[in-house]
Amino acid sequence: GAVVSQHPSRVICKSGTSVKIECRSLDFQATTMFWYRQFPKQSLMLMATSNEGSKATYEQGVEKDKFLINHASLTLSTLTVTSAHPEDSSFYICSAALTGTQHFGDGTRLSIL
Amino acid sequence: AQSVTQPDIHITVSEGASLELRCNYSYGATPYLFWYVQSPGQGLQLLLKYFSGDTLVQGIKGFEAEFKRSQSSFNLRKPSVHWSDAAEYFCAVGPPGGSQGNLIFGKGTKLSVKP
Repeated sequence: GAVVSQHPSRVICKSGTSVKIECRSLDFQATTMFWYRQFPKQSLMLMATSNEGSKATYEQGVEKDKFLINHASLTLSTLTVTSAHPEDSSFYICSAALTGTQHFGDGTRLSIL
Repeated sequence: AQSVTQPDIHITVSEGASLELRCNYSYGATPYLFWYVQSPGQGLQLLLKYFSGDTLVQGIKGFEAEFKRSQSSFNLRKPSVHWSDAAEYFCAVGPPGGSQGNLIFGKGTKLSVKP
């Protein structure tokens, strides 16, 4: 139980394009999902908290116009990296909360050329 | 300030040997405590968690952890390590009471296993 699916697992695209990453809770409903970014050999950095039906809460220093988050249903949150540039290349991981525990997706490796 | 400290950046153990990964936290109240494992290029898998009750918790893959309030610690242990346990291990704390607040992660401990 408590399976979270993240798609795509890997994206390679040109600078200036927008990339959408989906995070789905497959067997439970999640009013709250989280988006993290992980740099090589480092821990997870929380980017934003996504709440179903309301605006996301962004952490300090995270550009909300750059990283658009939509949580339109209780099982789906999306992160769109707009006009991506090489410095946005990273590993992005989502999680969905269920009874006080966060369950993580498998992550998306984003590479901007 | 709320924080999680994993003092060991990298640990190497021999296959079959015992393992202990350290985790200390600083938090206003007793938080919810978690251990996650991450294989290269993968997401995080929950190993175990502590909310309340028995301070020794059992998890998956033969792992256990002990919560010690007096030491603000939640160390992870395994009696006999397998080569497949090689991965990155993260300790995390979250707000008590089941609220949907974000987790605070330690910086991780990389475990290498010698044959």
